[in-house]
Amino acid sequence: AQSVTQLDSHVSVSEGTPVLLRCNYSSSYSPSLFWYVQHPNKGLQLLLKYTSAATLVKGINGFEAEFKKSETSFHLTKPSAHMSDAAEYFCVVSRNTGGFKTIFGAGTRLFVKA
Amino acid sequence: GAVVSQHPSWVICKSGTSVKIECRSLDFQATTMFWYRQFPKQSLMLMATSNEGSKATYEQGVEKDKFLINHASLTLSTLTVTSAHPEDSSFYICSARPARGNSYEQYFGPGTRLTVT
Repeated sequence: AQSVTQLDSHVSVSEGTPVLLRCNYSSSYSPSLFWYVQHPNKGLQLLLKYTSAATLVKGINGFEAEFKKSETSFHLTKPSAHMSDAAEYFCVVSRNTGGFKTIFGAGTRLFVKA
Repeated sequence: GAVVSQHPSWVICKSGTSVKIECRSLDFQATTMFWYRQFPKQSLMLMATSNEGSKATYEQGVEKDKFLINHASLTLSTLTVTSAHPEDSSFYICSARPARGNSYEQYFGPGTRLTVT
């Protein structure tokens, strides 16, 4: 069985300060993990993905995430938040064993204060 | 990069009518497409998996007779909401998996906002 838990429904940071969005997963198989961002009334944009290569994954717009198998975590970070980062972020787990399946986390709303 | 489009981007329809949403993979062939719905301030929920040339597989609790899915070609899947009601108002998003390439690849469309009045 697979599941993904985003530990915070919303996170608020000040512009220029670090961002940490937390995600824990559960998977019976070696998972592929993704972070997507969704701006209001827009579709999904892929930020980064982990597919069993390097555990530290760099994505677009300065975001990165580290896959930690021992902690079953895939937290998303950014050193310095911009106002334009304010959006909804989804942690996603996929598997391709026994049929392709994608599970979305509940999402974390990021607020960035000026 | 791979692009998936949806049409229309938004639609308003009257209760009781049907509306069709198209999902197209523009520069790749997709043997599998997925349909999701997203309620305001909520996550995406998978509705169904659409395989080219075969019947769609619906998730538990999704009415197959209400949400008709057709995947007639390798670049097009359609979702028809039949006899729409206000509770069907939602943001519908499709994704497509390339016929070739990394097994974990999927590309999302921009979504369709459906409002039923």
